[in-house]
Amino acid sequence: GAGVSQSPRYKVAKRGQDVALRCDPISGHVSLFWYQQALGQGPEFLTYFQNEAQLDKSGLPSDRFFAERPEGSVSTLKIQRTQQEDSAVYLCASSQRGRQGGSSPGNTIYFGEGSWLTVV
Amino acid sequence: GENVEQHPSTLSVQEGDSAVIKCTYSDSASNYFPWYKQELGKGPQLIIDIRSNVGEKKDQRIAVTLNKTAKHFSLHITETQPEDSAVYFCAAGVMEYGNKLVFGAGTILRVKS
Repeated sequence: GAGVSQSPRYKVAKRGQDVALRCDPISGHVSLFWYQQALGQGPEFLTYFQNEAQLDKSGLPSDRFFAERPEGSVSTLKIQRTQQEDSAVYLCASSQRGRQGGSSPGNTIYFGEGSWLTVV
Repeated sequence: GENVEQHPSTLSVQEGDSAVIKCTYSDSASNYFPWYKQELGKGPQLIIDIRSNVGEKKDQRIAVTLNKTAKHFSLHITETQPEDSAVYFCAAGVMEYGNKLVFGAGTILRVKS
């Protein structure tokens, strides 16, 4: 597609509910990232995929957070038993190359519009 | 790990004036420094980036400078316009590691007409 697409754009969940957030990266992009952005803060890294392999999940805040990219394109971020502190914007981003891409314009990261999650 | 600090947190300038936002980073391994502009309700949009093998890069009214020794980099916007009003984020990362970025806390730029 022309850009990174995320859905839903807005989600209100009751505390304890499970949510799933979808990301459609730019077509052909190898790398996919999930970031969490709290109100008034910069984005914080959650996890990284190179194709279908999840190479880095060091930013996931708890075992309630789970991400997958089974076919190396679309990715889903799942949050189980949501809590109020999970309220944030969840940003997906992609880049053309993977970890061995070196220093090149192909490593530029493009962000989607985000999924705004509010837990009540 | 990497830590990025950004100043100022808010900046108000008159239309036509210049705006400067400064960031420092802690990890000498970082070699990629992008700047993103984020408007309300939208995702971050890349406006300019710089790699550690250059000290300055310019794109029309926007320029970025990098001082690797001091570990700081700056965004310069000249001839500011009302549409430049937004939140600006600096970030640092290592391109060879899949480019995981660490972001600053952001600067709210308001251009008064």
